[in-house]
Amino acid sequence: EAQVTQNPRYLITVTGKKLTVTCSQNMNHEYMSWYRQDPGLGLRQIYYSMNVEVTDKGDVPEGYKVSRKEKRNFPLILESPSPNQTSLYFCASTPLGAGTEAFFGQGTRLTVV
Amino acid sequence: AQSVTQLGSHVSVSEGALVLLRCNYSSSVPPYLFWYVQYPNQGLQLLLKYTSAATLVKGINGFEAEFKKSETSFHLTKPSAHMSDAAEYFCAVTPEGYNKLIFGAGTRLAVHP
Repeated sequence: EAQVTQNPRYLITVTGKKLTVTCSQNMNHEYMSWYRQDPGLGLRQIYYSMNVEVTDKGDVPEGYKVSRKEKRNFPLILESPSPNQTSLYFCASTPLGAGTEAFFGQGTRLTVV
Repeated sequence: AQSVTQLGSHVSVSEGALVLLRCNYSSSVPPYLFWYVQYPNQGLQLLLKYTSAATLVKGINGFEAEFKKSETSFHLTKPSAHMSDAAEYFCAVTPEGYNKLIFGAGTRLAVHP
């Protein structure tokens, strides 16, 4: 089954404690991205990657890091989380090409206290 | 920069009534347009997409949307609402040549008996 898998689904952490949210896709897609969803703002792109070892900033990259060492994996790293990073996070995977469909993970609800 | 406006953060309809969710985009060049649905505690799922093949696009679960270039709109409709349609709906655009999705703020649809 084609899918994007994120872990964990729920996470509560304290300010400053480094964390990683994992994302894996089994569709061999080149393009992967991270979004955060906040009420009234929709989803905003944090980082994206067009292929292995190729990553770039999205619209709200501050406080986040990513890596793409393998095509299937695209982890999101918060080196020093702060309360304003409390949000719902989605990983998405898309084949390269105009107008292609993005496949989303189930989401990770992060609370930073 | 491209943007998407969804009129109405909350829409409430009776079961069996027409569903109309509004979406306007800003672009001098018609982009690729999408409607995604998010059921509670789930990721986003593609309802339908416009990629210039036809202005009236049919999607899953009886939804359809019409692309109107003169109005820069891509409103989502369904003739008869079901209780199972209760969810949050997002309109999104992808600029030409990119895979990045730019989302509207979302519209939460409630369906009451």
